[in-house]
Amino acid sequence: DTGVSQDPRHKITKRGQNVTFRCDPISEHNRLYWYRQTLGQGPEFLTYFQNEAQLEKSRLLSDRFSAERPKGSFSTLEIQRTEQGDSAMYLCASNKGSEKLFFGSGTQLSVL
Amino acid sequence: AQTVTQSQPEMSVQEAETVTLSCTYDTSESDYYLFWYKQPPSRQMILVIRQEAYKQQNATENRFSVNFQKAAKSFSLKISDSQLGDAAMYFCAYRRAGGSQGNLIFGKGTKLSVKP
Repeated sequence: DTGVSQDPRHKITKRGQNVTFRCDPISEHNRLYWYRQTLGQGPEFLTYFQNEAQLEKSRLLSDRFSAERPKGSFSTLEIQRTEQGDSAMYLCASNKGSEKLFFGSGTQLSVL
Repeated sequence: AQTVTQSQPEMSVQEAETVTLSCTYDTSESDYYLFWYKQPPSRQMILVIRQEAYKQQNATENRFSVNFQKAAKSFSLKISDSQLGDAAMYFCAYRRAGGSQGNLIFGKGTKLSVKP
């Protein structure tokens, strides 16, 4: 078990392009969370999956953002038509039941 | 809406000394959870300590302890015998009871430096 894995670690894209990030949770964890962390701020909750069901979505998750967890294992977060304001670190976390969260090392997105 | 405020953007401590990081929060809920997370340069958030609001006893985890003042809505973290590996960003976080474990509200963080 190597913990929560996120790919890629860094992503540079041009404004208007689509980007997709992947999160692989710890294998037995049925709950998965996405966050956005901008410079100088704490993480902000985006969305939550229990198995393959997306049970919570923050108002921060605009129409350009979509997250999936098709088989209840890995998850993807897609941002369409990226804007400079989307530049941030995108963190993923997972847990099982009421156990503590385990975080990945994040994907740092830079939109030029 | 709930908010979490960390008023110290940066703190510094000498190795082996004690440091206290401050956190205040605002909520109208009576049942909730409070957390301190550490984020080292590796970027991976690590849970340091957790406090249930209904418990009056302050949580302790080895060299880390909290001073939870529910009426004052204050939740400070004390690090004793500071070590070089304690250098990191520290985030205070709030979660209401009944919500998902990951629906946390974080403060802006305090950057802790440890001097040898």
